[in-house]
Amino acid sequence: QKEVEQDPGPLSVPEGAIVSLNCTYSNSAFQYFMWYRQYSRKGPELLMYTYSSGNKEDGRFTAQVDKSSKYISLFIRDSQPSDSATYLCAMSVGSNDYKLSFGAGTTVTVRA
Amino acid sequence: GAVVSQHPSRVICKSGTSVKIECRSLDFQATTMFWYRQFPKQSLMLMATSNEGSKATYEQGVEKDKFLINHASLTLSTLTVTSAHPEDSSFYICSAPFGSDTQYFGPGTRLTVL
Repeated sequence: QKEVEQDPGPLSVPEGAIVSLNCTYSNSAFQYFMWYRQYSRKGPELLMYTYSSGNKEDGRFTAQVDKSSKYISLFIRDSQPSDSATYLCAMSVGSNDYKLSFGAGTTVTVRA
Repeated sequence: GAVVSQHPSRVICKSGTSVKIECRSLDFQATTMFWYRQFPKQSLMLMATSNEGSKATYEQGVEKDKFLINHASLTLSTLTVTSAHPEDSSFYICSAPFGSDTQYFGPGTRLTVL
């Protein structure tokens, strides 16, 4: 079993829809949770970063963490064609242990 | 956010030659940097941890003599792919921690070995 599980998709939605992305993890030591967006042939771009359980909102993006269930989510509201990319969840133990464990990435296409 | 750059963005080389890829943290210092490899439609695979002033730490299965890492300063790490072969063709990405617990990634280097 992988440490971090993420449905690779692909996921195709119409413009304006809500995109819901999820990851589950098995290592209860993970304390820091990140979502990265990666466009084709580019490096990952940090979208959201959370530490505690609960919701964190930034514009059209909401990151949700449920440590008791070992489950994290990213929601994209009012999706745009420019949101078409691969979304990677990542997590770390923290406390100066910077190694990230990644999900497989979910490829999202937003249709105009 | 913090900026990490990589150079070159693309490189094509002949089999048997060596290729050096640079990773720079542009507006912050990084005593640690990470090197990843990514195959098409796959997630990032950690190759090694680059440590300023000391030897790199390699992940299991990664050949130290094949992938030489040098972290010469607090803002620069280099990855040299020695005696490159077609199977080394891949997308190489570096990252640097910023703050306590998050990382910023470079734009990646696409290596093609003919």
